[in-house]
Amino acid sequence: GAVVSQHPSRVICKSGTSVKIECRSLDFQATTMFWYRQFPKQSLMLMATSNEGSKATYEQGVEKDKFLINHASLTLSTLTVTSAHPEDSSFYICSATRGTGASPQHFGDGTRLSIL
Amino acid sequence: GIQVEQSPPDLILQEGANSTLRCNFSDSVNNLQWFHQNPWGQLINLFYIPSGTKQNGRLSATTVATERYSLLYISSSQTTDSGVYFCAVDYDSGGGADGLTFGKGTHLIIQP
Repeated sequence: GAVVSQHPSRVICKSGTSVKIECRSLDFQATTMFWYRQFPKQSLMLMATSNEGSKATYEQGVEKDKFLINHASLTLSTLTVTSAHPEDSSFYICSATRGTGASPQHFGDGTRLSIL
Repeated sequence: GIQVEQSPPDLILQEGANSTLRCNFSDSVNNLQWFHQNPWGQLINLFYIPSGTKQNGRLSATTVATERYSLLYISSSQTTDSGVYFCAVDYDSGGGADGLTFGKGTHLIIQP
């Protein structure tokens, strides 16, 4: 149980393109979903917290107009990287939790984004 | 914010050896998870262990919340155990679910 699906797994596109990444909880309802970013040889950094039906909360230094998050249902959150540039190239990974407070987070397999 | 420190940063072992990875954190947590990140980037959840001890095959973990540390034990290492091991915590803010703060990881290499 607790499967999180993330698509696409790999994206290569030209600078200026907008890219949408989907994160789905397949067998549970996720009250909260999270988006993380990982640069090569570094750790994961939290970008934003997404609750169904409300605006996402962004971490300091993350541009909300650049990284649009939509959490339209209890099983789907999307991250759109708008007008992507080479410096946005990174590994993006989502997680979902079914509870509030003390509950484990379940991670998708990540999306490797390469902007040319 | 909460600080998470992992040690050692790098570890090279021969197949069959045992190892202990440590995670120190600076504040109360209501969630602590250990992950193994494989070469393709997938995060494999090993343990959800905000306190106590758990075992799963050759792996076990112990968290002493009052002393703010957790240990991951790997016994009889195999080459497939190679990769980066992350400890991640959720600060106990008293509210709803918060994002995880990750340590910098331990890069483990198991040589045949």
